[in-house]
This record gives sequence, C-alpha cells and structure tokens, in this order.
Amino acid sequence: AQRVTQPEKLLSVFKGAPVELKCNYSYSGSPELFWYVQYSRQRLQLLLRHISRESIKGFTADLNKGETSFHLKKPFAQEEDSAMYYCALIPTGTASKLTFGTGTRLQVTL
Amino acid sequence: DTGVSQDPRHKITKRGQNVTFRCDPISEHNRLYWYRQTLGQGPEFLTYFQNEAQLEKSRLLSDRFSAERPKGSFSTLEIQRTEQGDSAMYLCASSSTAAGDTEAFFGQGTRLTVV
Repeated sequence: AQRVTQPEKLLSVFKGAPVELKCNYSYSGSPELFWYVQYSRQRLQLLLRHISRESIKGFTADLNKGETSFHLKKPFAQEEDSAMYYCALIPTGTASKLTFGTGTRLQVTL
Repeated sequence: DTGVSQDPRHKITKRGQNVTFRCDPISEHNRLYWYRQTLGQGPEFLTYFQNEAQLEKSRLLSDRFSAERPKGSFSTLEIQRTEQGDSAMYLCASSSTAAGDTEAFFGQGTRLTVV
C-alpha cells in the first residue's frame, strides 16, 4: 500500500525567504506525484505534478526516486502563498485514487 | 458549469439520522471520487466510479455508507444511522481518463456535523 508523509504541520516563513515543504512517499511501483493546494475558503486544486516538470506560481518540485521524496520549493515566499499544501500520489498512469499526506500549512508573514 | 459542485455545503444532523449528499462532476468527466477529510488530516479515499460502475471501495466505507452514480453523471453518498465519528468534510472529485490525464478536480465539499 502506498503512503505519503508530510512531516511538518506548520511552516512559518518571512516574505521573501525560501520555502521548502517536505514530502516523502512509500510505494513499491512507479508513482505519479502531485502537490495540491487549498487557499483560504477555496477548494482543493492542483498546483503541480512531477510529470509536467513545470514551475507554477514560482514553485517547483523534483521527484527523487532514490530518497523517495517530492519536496516543494520556492526561492522567495509571497504572502499569497499562505495556504494548506498536500502532497499526493497515484500509481503511474492509472488515473486512480489519490493517496494524500496530512498536509502542511504554509504561513508567510511580513 | 465550470467545476465540481456539491450539495449541501453544510449539514447538521442528529445521531441516528440518515443523510444524503450530492455531487455533480464536470460534465465530460467519466471518473468520480468521494473522499473524507477530518481535522488535521488529508483527504482519505472512500470510493470511486467510472461512468456508472463503482470500481473500488475503501475499507473506511462501512455498511452504513452507500454511493451511487446511476446514469454516470451525478453521484449521491448516503450515510445511514449517522454516528458522531462520521462528522467530517466529504469531498467529491472528478477526472477524465481521456488522453491519460490524471488531474482530479475537487468540489467545495459538504461539511457534516453529527450532534
């Protein structure tokens, strides 16, 4: 069975500081990894996924199969980045159910 | 319709009552998922449909829970004889298997409070 671990419940950073939200996973096969974000009073939405290898809102994430990690990074945090972030995985190409981590709340302060 | 919609947004019910939630997916999406989210946790999978067929159910889904998607469009999730432990946010999501797209689109959720 797959599992996603997000070790930090809360990450508080100053505006302009670098951000790294940690995500580790366990899965015996080949996973597809995602970061979903939930801004205040909004629905959960996709931020980025590893297969697209793109930067969204300045965020990037690299899949490290050796360390089974998919950490989310941004060089300079903005106030509007404050939100709840969830790492999730599915078995590659299955369009199957998502397995989520417990989430990390990112708080960007002035 | 540009997104997944869920109704109601909030439901307060007494223990022992039955409740039913509705989800309308994005119209061209053939997959529909139900998740449950409790405080401090990420969404946990309950069940999913491809068209009208229910393909998988989680062990979290006790016999008191039943879900349907009769015509492959909207879905309902019913909880019978509610218990306080059923209090949670119930999320619906939809996706399309066309072109191998795996992005799931979520609704706003139905928050259930059992008193």
